[in-house]
Amino acid sequence: DARVTQTPRHKVTEMGQEVTMRCQPILGHNTVFWYRQTMMQGLELLAYFRNRAPLDDSGMPKDRFSAEMPDATLATLKIQPSEPRDSAVYFCASAPQNEGWETQYFGPGTRLLVL
Amino acid sequence: QKEVEQNSGPLSVPEGAIASLNCTYSDRGSQSFFWYRQYSGKSPELIMFIYSNGDKEDGRFTAQLNKASQYVSLLIRDSQPSDSATYLCAVSLNFGNEKLTFGTGTRLTIIP
Repeated sequence: DARVTQTPRHKVTEMGQEVTMRCQPILGHNTVFWYRQTMMQGLELLAYFRNRAPLDDSGMPKDRFSAEMPDATLATLKIQPSEPRDSAVYFCASAPQNEGWETQYFGPGTRLLVL
Repeated sequence: QKEVEQNSGPLSVPEGAIASLNCTYSDRGSQSFFWYRQYSGKSPELIMFIYSNGDKEDGRFTAQLNKASQYVSLLIRDSQPSDSATYLCAVSLNFGNEKLTFGTGTRLTIIP
């Protein structure tokens, strides 16, 4: 049963610290998305990649957030420096190129708390 | 005005009844419409997508799209307690799943 995996599942850190979140998309999926979910704003797209190339990161605060795909099996989202307002659940999702491309498969999320 | 609007609920429906979830969107150029279900503490999962005006049925679920009114809905027939979740409406400007804009979701509770 192929799944998107994310690490860490939970992270508590202090304001100003660097946070790195990792995602392993489903093998063979060529599109990877990063979302942030809060009670107030709901689920927001931060950035997404296709075939490892960034297609859109307009939803991401550029001054502190960065997203990369070092290879096809790993996507990273980094926050430096972190702030309390970054506290949220961060989801990674992946989608295939061909059959079933309408579906985004979400990982379990990283719950981030910045104190 | 948010781009995708949903009533946050909670919406309470008796078991066995029809649950009706509604969503409106602001961009007339929107082409693809999705309904995701999210159980508390879990990640969203796709229930249905629809591209064309009219109804699309899949088991107990029916998605309805009216582009003229910029309105999309999800009907759940024979509601079960396991349908209790938050339902997220998502919209894309493309024919596909890229750059989805999500509503904040409607919390549905099925009462046994």
